[in-house]
Amino acid sequence: KNQVEQSPQSLIILEGKNCTLQCNYTVSPFSNLRWYKQDTGRGPVSLTIMTFSENTKSNGRYTATLDADTKQSSLHITASQLSDSASYICVGGSNSGYALNFGKGTSLLVTP
Amino acid sequence: DVKVTQSSRYLVKRTGEKVFLECVQDMDHENMFWYRQDPGLGLRLIYFSYDVKMKEKGDIPEGYSVSREKKERFSLILESASTNQTSMYLCASSFGRRELFFGEGSRLTVL
Repeated sequence: KNQVEQSPQSLIILEGKNCTLQCNYTVSPFSNLRWYKQDTGRGPVSLTIMTFSENTKSNGRYTATLDADTKQSSLHITASQLSDSASYICVGGSNSGYALNFGKGTSLLVTP
Repeated sequence: DVKVTQSSRYLVKRTGEKVFLECVQDMDHENMFWYRQDPGLGLRLIYFSYDVKMKEKGDIPEGYSVSREKKERFSLILESASTNQTSMYLCASSFGRRELFFGEGSRLTVL
């Protein structure tokens, strides 16, 4: 069964600090790995999409990495801002059909 | 920019009522999806559609139906709402297996 697991479940950091969120996936056949940011009460917004051949992709202060051998991905946030407070969702995409496999998210709180 | 618009941000309905959730996208995407999101469970796929009048069941289709009469519009229907359908409903669209664009969500409360 395809699974996506994220850690930690929640995280609190001080404004200006860096942080890294983790994602382990078991998706077969694997096609792509996505990260979404979801503000409270809003719909998710795409941050990055990586195919199995990509190791890293950046979007501003967000950098995602992918290790297809170990089936792990990480999302690194540099110089955090209060607006980074949100839930970050890791999603594994398969070559089979249209279904995506969603993690339960990491809730990040950035405090002043 | 792609825009996915959900008709209602907040709805309150009574048990047994019929509920329509509407979603419209403006980028000519062939794929449209309905998810529900509950605390601790993440997003779960209810139904998706890859073309007009075409639909496929997702992981949790029971108690729901969908309609796609036009390419830009995908409706989720709760024939007889129940309290366990209280949730956040998210519509999304995509072109092929590319980036998924979500609407702002519809928070449904069934009393």
